[in-house]
Amino acid sequence: AQKITQTQPGMFVQEKEAVTLDCTYDTSDQSYGLFWYKQPSSGEMIFLIYQGSYDEQNATEGRYSLNFQKARKSANLVISASQLGDSAMYFCAMRETGRRALTFGSGTRLQVQP
Amino acid sequence: KAGVTQTPRYLIKTRGQQVTLSCSPISGHRSVSWYQQTPGQGLQFLFEYFSETQRNKGNFPGRFSGRQFSNSRSEMNVSTLELGDSALYLCASSTGQVSDGYTFGSGTRLTVV
Repeated sequence: AQKITQTQPGMFVQEKEAVTLDCTYDTSDQSYGLFWYKQPSSGEMIFLIYQGSYDEQNATEGRYSLNFQKARKSANLVISASQLGDSAMYFCAMRETGRRALTFGSGTRLQVQP
Repeated sequence: KAGVTQTPRYLIKTRGQQVTLSCSPISGHRSVSWYQQTPGQGLQFLFEYFSETQRNKGNFPGRFSGRQFSNSRSEMNVSTLELGDSALYLCASSTGQVSDGYTFGSGTRLTVV
């Protein structure tokens, strides 16, 4: 079974609008971490935001926020006020305690239109 | 502070050859992990090193190996290259604490012909 599922292969959003990228995960661990990364065409993976399984507050980093719904096992990324430079692949990832490795989803390609 | 440095950025090799990729982590980071990214399989974990010890290994054949030096720099080696090894190889460094996250390098794009 897939551990990280990103159901949106591609998305379009108008500049300055908000967009939500979906991510669901599967784990039996109680302690785990969830990450979102951005990968522009250059290839580098850029860390955006982190959410720990025990964190009660949703994580926020500037224009990025993570909508964490533990019971539903979802960790959606919300980008507010989209910019042209936000066009990239976005990956959701999870690290389970003791595994010391990230498991990635298949990614969502976001295109921001002027 | 300097980020994660991977060398070389691009590499073209012939089937059957071997290749060594290098990764210099962020100063102070003792954990280095490697990932392979292909269009078909996505991002897959190769292995992770911490203080020169391999702590975890992904599901890859023994042709893929790695090591970490005392200064935390890491190398990965692929022997007897196959066409399917063509990929972007990404290195990530971390303090070892999950909440500190992982910082990735720009990757090495390997093409096997």
